[in-house]
Amino acid sequence: GAVVSQHPSRVICKSGTSVKIECRSLDFQATTMFWYRQFPKQSLMLMATSNEGSKATYEQGVEKDKFLINHASLTLSTLTVTSAHPEDSSFYICSATAELYEKLFFGSGTQLSVL
Amino acid sequence: GESVGLHLPTLSVQEGDNSIINCAYSNSASDYFIWYKQESGKGPQFIIDIRSNMDKRQGQRVTVLLNKTVKHLSLQIAATQPGDSAVYFCADQASSTGNQFYFGTGTSLTVIP
Repeated sequence: GAVVSQHPSRVICKSGTSVKIECRSLDFQATTMFWYRQFPKQSLMLMATSNEGSKATYEQGVEKDKFLINHASLTLSTLTVTSAHPEDSSFYICSATAELYEKLFFGSGTQLSVL
Repeated sequence: GESVGLHLPTLSVQEGDNSIINCAYSNSASDYFIWYKQESGKGPQFIIDIRSNMDKRQGQRVTVLLNKTVKHLSLQIAATQPGDSAVYFCADQASSTGNQFYFGTGTSLTVIP
């Protein structure tokens, strides 16, 4: 199956710093990438939809200035958590799909801990 | 999927028994559904999918049933094994409104050896 690589797998940062998470589709061109957030023992919550070459579409309640998404190519999307605070600590997961009706392929997730 | 934010319900089964995991969705326009398995600290893994023009699909040891009338999806795992212990999520997509997938609450499955 298709492989989605997410990096880093874990990051610890100080409050007020920014953190960038990368998501790459390794063996296919991802027309769309999605970013999810997951709290312990809870479901995945869709944050935003990222299409290559265009601005990301954010779900209601997600601050676009806080969570900057860039989808510069068909194989790379990045999520930057700006001025991170302890409440941003969470498990962030990216996923990618090639076309409508294609199943989602997920990265391995990034555990962000903000001190 | 629906009920994002609620804590996970749990299901415990004996090794070798069959497991049935249920999921409700709220969007009547949803026409594509996927079951995922997630192990602790990892991203979700694809298990099986089904489109709305079907009501049943079988894979290896797994079967997905779709009841569009009541907006309900189930995942049946035959002869459950300890390696099946994980959290299971359903996700749905409504192609008429976009290609986003929304996840259900999830169920934590524990297989007792």
